[in-house]
Amino acid sequence: ELKVEQNPLFLSMQEGKNYTIYCNYSTTSDRLYWYRQDPGKSLESLFVLLSNGAVKQEGRLMASLDTKARLSTLHITAAVHDLSATYFCAVDANTDKLIFGTGTRLQVFP
Amino acid sequence: NAGVMQNPRHLVRRRGQEARLRCSPMKGHSHVYWYRQLPEEGLKFMVYLQKENIIDESGMPKERFSAEFPKEGPSILRIQQVVRGDSAAYFCASSPPEGLYGYTFGSGTRLTVV
Repeated sequence: ELKVEQNPLFLSMQEGKNYTIYCNYSTTSDRLYWYRQDPGKSLESLFVLLSNGAVKQEGRLMASLDTKARLSTLHITAAVHDLSATYFCAVDANTDKLIFGTGTRLQVFP
Repeated sequence: NAGVMQNPRHLVRRRGQEARLRCSPMKGHSHVYWYRQLPEEGLKFMVYLQKENIIDESGMPKERFSAEFPKEGPSILRIQQVVRGDSAAYFCASSPPEGLYGYTFGSGTRLTVV
């Protein structure tokens, strides 16, 4: 059974700082997704990573995928308050369904 | 392109009643997925459907829960005889036909059982 683990579960960081969220998964997959969820809202798609070594960047967020290590990272550069949300990674298990990680609740404070 | 449409947004049911949640996929999308999110948790897969077919229901509770995606109309997730533990946010997602990728999520239905 595919398992997806994220760490940390909670992240409180100061504005302007950098940090990385990690997503490990337990079986082979070539597709990994990152989503953002604000409280009481739906999921907003951030990145789709489709191959080993894929790197994508949007604003202060950058995501990468290492399929050999079964690891994806979401790096936050110079955090701002607007990035406060819960971030989920999700793995396409080649069975046409997504398996989600536990989520990382990010809070950025002044 | 209206995206994935779910209704109702909020649903309150008394214990023992039935809950019906609806999902219309994005135009051109033929695959529908239902996920459940309990408070402070991630999303858990429930069921994957194509038109008139249930492809994978491995995440569905064995009793009281059912799903369909008829030839015409939205996909329906039905919960019979609801209990307090069914209170959660239920999200629907759709994706294009096989060979393509990408999931689009609806805004969710928040079910509260009182």
